[in-house]
Amino acid sequence: AQSVTQLGSHVSVSEGALVLLRCNYSSSVPPYLFWYVQYPNQGLQLLLKYTSAATLVKGINGFEAEFKKSETSFHLTKPSAHMSDAAEYFCAFSGGYNKLIFGAGTRLAVHP
Amino acid sequence: ETGVTQSPTHLIKTRGQQVTLRCSSQSGHNTVSWYQQALGQGPQFIFQYYREEENGRGNFPPRFSGLQFPNYSSELNVNALELDDSALYLCASSLAGDPGELFFGEGSRLTVL
Repeated sequence: AQSVTQLGSHVSVSEGALVLLRCNYSSSVPPYLFWYVQYPNQGLQLLLKYTSAATLVKGINGFEAEFKKSETSFHLTKPSAHMSDAAEYFCAFSGGYNKLIFGAGTRLAVHP
Repeated sequence: ETGVTQSPTHLIKTRGQQVTLRCSSQSGHNTVSWYQQALGQGPQFIFQYYREEENGRGNFPPRFSGLQFPNYSSELNVNALELDDSALYLCASSLAGDPGELFFGEGSRLTVL
């Protein structure tokens, strides 16, 4: 069965520190993988996507993610956290028909 | 370019009632998907519409139904509301064949009392 697992429901970092949000997937077919961000009381916004081209994917707001097939991972990183990065982040897997399977989410807190 | 818009933004219903949520897709998009996001969880796929027909369905009972109109807008209908239906309902539009890039609206928050 296809699934997405996000490790850590809450991550807290200091402003300027590295952000690392973890995502692992399970799939029997080549995956399309995505990271979405959700700010309070808003819908989801696409940060970046992997669609079998380059394994290192750059997204908006300085985020990037690396697809590692051997580890079945697609972790999200940002070198230096900003206060405005505080939000809920969702890793997602495309399960066909443009259907997305989402992880449970990781809430990122950024403190001064 | 007009984004995805949903209405209403908030509503309160009681158990057993029926609700209709509406979605206007992004200009040029021909596919609409609906997701349910319970508090503290990731969105769960309800169903998708393409060319006015259901094109994939998640693990939701038949009392969740939908429509897509010729202008690609869509409705989500939920009958016989239950307390567990309380959630944020998200509509997303996309182009058929695009590998999963969905454009989401801000959602309709439904509270069932």
